[in-house]
Amino acid sequence: DAKTTQPNSMESNEEEPVHLPCNHSTISGTDYIHWYRQLPSQGPEYVIHGLTSNVNNRMASLAIAEDRKSSTLILHRATLRDAAVYYCISSYGKLTFGQGTILTVHP
Amino acid sequence: GAVVSQHPSRVICKSGTSVKIECRSLDFQATTMFWYRQFPKQSLMLMATSNEGSKATYEQGVEKDKFLINHASLTLSTLTVTSAHPEDSSFYICSARDDGRSTDTQYFGPGTRLTVL
Repeated sequence: DAKTTQPNSMESNEEEPVHLPCNHSTISGTDYIHWYRQLPSQGPEYVIHGLTSNVNNRMASLAIAEDRKSSTLILHRATLRDAAVYYCISSYGKLTFGQGTILTVHP
Repeated sequence: GAVVSQHPSRVICKSGTSVKIECRSLDFQATTMFWYRQFPKQSLMLMATSNEGSKATYEQGVEKDKFLINHASLTLSTLTVTSAHPEDSSFYICSARDDGRSTDTQYFGPGTRLTVL
């Protein structure tokens, strides 16, 4: 699995957009870009994934750089329930979790 | 859709006993499931890949005789921690890949908190 690099933590205010960056400079052509989030004492929750094109779903948007070496998860309007650890993973097959980004949302 | 359950959600056992954890895909079939372990304030670590009808593939450093995996149906995988010791206390999480989808997205269970006394 390709290694990813994410900031250790980020902060946001409620109802503001949040852009969570991820670098995956060693990504291979068949690797998907996955985003999961995890609350304390819970299993990870699937957020979004993509391969080459930008993706939107009800939870978030995923913007993938043209060279695929980086991506950004966009939460359009952060809520307190979005506070979690966000994991960016580039892989095909097995998922290798890094330390993720701890997102804090202030009311 | 894509719901994965685990049972039990938490278990406390005495040292030396064995504990079985079940992982079920509720609304999809999963030929491939995965087992992870997570220690406090750490990230998830993949323990093994469970394949229906065949032997599991264990990650380096994971003892296959201690962590027995059985994947007897397309919706159920079990992890048995044999002769558990306090150092096996951890949060065990399973995931499943939906056979009906073309991507390799995994869907995770809620986790099982194991405490070995």
